[in-house]
Amino acid sequence: EAQVTQNPRYLITVTGKKLTVTCSQNMNHEYMSWYRQDPGLGLRQIYYSMNVEVTDKGDVPEGYKVSRKEKRNFPLILESPSPNQTSLYFCASSTQQGGGHTEAFFGQGTRLTVV
Amino acid sequence: AQSVAQPEDQVNVAEGNPLTVKCTYSVSGNPYLFWYVQYPNRGLQFLLKYITGDNLVKGSYGFEAEFNKSQTSFHLKKPSALVSDSALYFCAVRGRMDSNYQLIWGAGTKLIIKP
Repeated sequence: EAQVTQNPRYLITVTGKKLTVTCSQNMNHEYMSWYRQDPGLGLRQIYYSMNVEVTDKGDVPEGYKVSRKEKRNFPLILESPSPNQTSLYFCASSTQQGGGHTEAFFGQGTRLTVV
Repeated sequence: AQSVAQPEDQVNVAEGNPLTVKCTYSVSGNPYLFWYVQYPNRGLQFLLKYITGDNLVKGSYGFEAEFNKSQTSFHLKKPSALVSDSALYFCAVRGRMDSNYQLIWGAGTKLIIKP
């Protein structure tokens, strides 16, 4: 089954304690991205990757890091989480073949609370 | 700047009645347009997209959307609403000339279908 898998689904952590949210896709997609979803703001892109070892900032990259060492994995790293990073996070992937009109596949989401 | 507007935070419809969820966009050049749905505690799911051709696009679960270039709109419609259609709906746009494949998202519209 084609899917994007995020872990964990729920996470409560304390300010300053480094954490990683994993994302893996089994569709051999080139493009992967991370979003945060906040009420009234829709989805905002944090980082994206167009292929292995190619990553770039989205609209709200501050406080986050990513890596793309393998095509299937795209972890999101919060080196020193702060309460304003409390949010619902989504990983998504899509193929770039055929142009920019391919749809994205989303993970189930990770609800992060930073206290 | 590119943007997507979903002017209604919430839309209430009686079961069996037609529904419309509005979306307008601003993007350089011709757009690719998408609708996604998010059910509670789930990731986003692709509903339909406009690439080119017929302005009326049909998608999953009986939904359709009409692309109107002059009004820069892409409203989501369904002839007869079901209670199970209650969810959060997002409109997204991507410019055809965008080399980074970034999707621009609306803030979302909560659709409530009452029995």
